[in-house]
Amino acid sequence: DTEVTQTPKHLVMGMTNKKSLKCEQHMGHRAMYWYKQKAKKPPELMFVYSYEKLSINESVPSRFSPECPNSSLLNLHLHALQPEDSALYLCASSHATGTNRGEQYFGPGTRLTVT
Amino acid sequence: RKEVEQDPGPFNVPEGATVAFNCTYSNSASQSFFWYRQDCRKEPKLLMSVYSSGNEDGRFTAQLNRASQYISLLIRDSKLSDSATYLCVGPGGGNKLTFGTGTQLKVEL
Repeated sequence: DTEVTQTPKHLVMGMTNKKSLKCEQHMGHRAMYWYKQKAKKPPELMFVYSYEKLSINESVPSRFSPECPNSSLLNLHLHALQPEDSALYLCASSHATGTNRGEQYFGPGTRLTVT
Repeated sequence: RKEVEQDPGPFNVPEGATVAFNCTYSNSASQSFFWYRQDCRKEPKLLMSVYSSGNEDGRFTAQLNRASQYISLLIRDSKLSDSATYLCVGPGGGNKLTFGTGTQLKVEL
């Protein structure tokens, strides 16, 4: 079962709000990812967790804060976002480096609008 | 030069046509590639993985040409439901993937 779930599907938040995006996978994958995707652009990597540890931060502003509570869950905490942060936020998972050939499986995404 | 490059299209083809997309890559050491399909406002879905010279799945054939550093995706007998953006994806080091900009396909009656 190649399924990654994300909640919520849609989120509208003001620039002073604090909200969280959630992602869950039950494929036994030990690498999880957050991507940001703008319209007509490819996904842009934000963070990578490998074995529940943050391994890559692509110079993402601190108003985005990732968290990996366990091997199945990944959160993205949002605070003081800007309107330009409005995008589709995608979670993905894969086997960890060295054990796989690299396929990543994406969740359906959270469409975020910052007002 | 971008690591993975694709023609953005759009490719407008009639139903039943055969269509091919090419994707070039710059890192000659890259070993594995993927084609993802993305429908409008949806997530990318893995279509095919390409590790050796090629892979075939029904109407879809992916080929890897290491000498010329390109990957191709061939769709035979195209259906209206094949209309989507096709993302060529290569390795980016570690757990990273490198995405092409995507090629838009529109299959018409």
